[in-house]
Amino acid sequence: GEDVEQSLFLSVREGDSSVINCTYTDSSSTYLYWYKQEPGAGLQLLTYIFSNMDMKQDQRLTVLLNKKDKHLSLRIADTQTGDSAIYFCAESTASGTYKYIFGTGTRLKVLA
Amino acid sequence: EPEVTQTPSHQVTQMGQEVILRCVPISNHLYFYWYRQILGQKVEFLVSFYNNEISEKSEIFDDQFSVERPDGSNFTLKIRSTKLEDSAMYFCASRLLEGEQYFGPGTRLTVT
Repeated sequence: GEDVEQSLFLSVREGDSSVINCTYTDSSSTYLYWYKQEPGAGLQLLTYIFSNMDMKQDQRLTVLLNKKDKHLSLRIADTQTGDSAIYFCAESTASGTYKYIFGTGTRLKVLA
Repeated sequence: EPEVTQTPSHQVTQMGQEVILRCVPISNHLYFYWYRQILGQKVEFLVSFYNNEISEKSEIFDDQFSVERPDGSNFTLKIRSTKLEDSAMYFCASRLLEGEQYFGPGTRLTVT
């Protein structure tokens, strides 16, 4: 099956770190992505990781990939109120169309 | 920076009417996609299009849906006879080769 699972909600205090988790099922996925979606808005690409990498850091964002467990995480350091949004992970299938399979989304609420 | 555009941003239609959602992908891209996001839910793949034909479609993409690239720049999604459950945000995406898809801002379709 093609299911990408995420926990539904995460609440953190401003200045703390947030860790959003994702599990996927397609072990042949080539790229894994993190998108941010604010209320009523479109999809903003935050970062991505290629499947042969374990970790990628981009300013406040750190992506960890555990291929053995098919687990992806996004860590946001020094979380700000502007980070409040829904975060989707997505895997790009290795089939010819490279369609994206999106996760269920995690709603991050940052408390001031 | 080139971007994917979509029109209209919001479309309201009555049940049973036909709607056409329009997208202008990035000009040198080769692969095109439509995704759907029902309010409060995850983003779901509808269809991919390459070399002037559908390369993959999901089970959501039934006979009521069709896609076209009529003039080499636009990419359209037509819903022949809209149902209430077609109300959603529709995202178009395009990509050049393997890797990142570039998403448009979405069209919110409301069926009354």
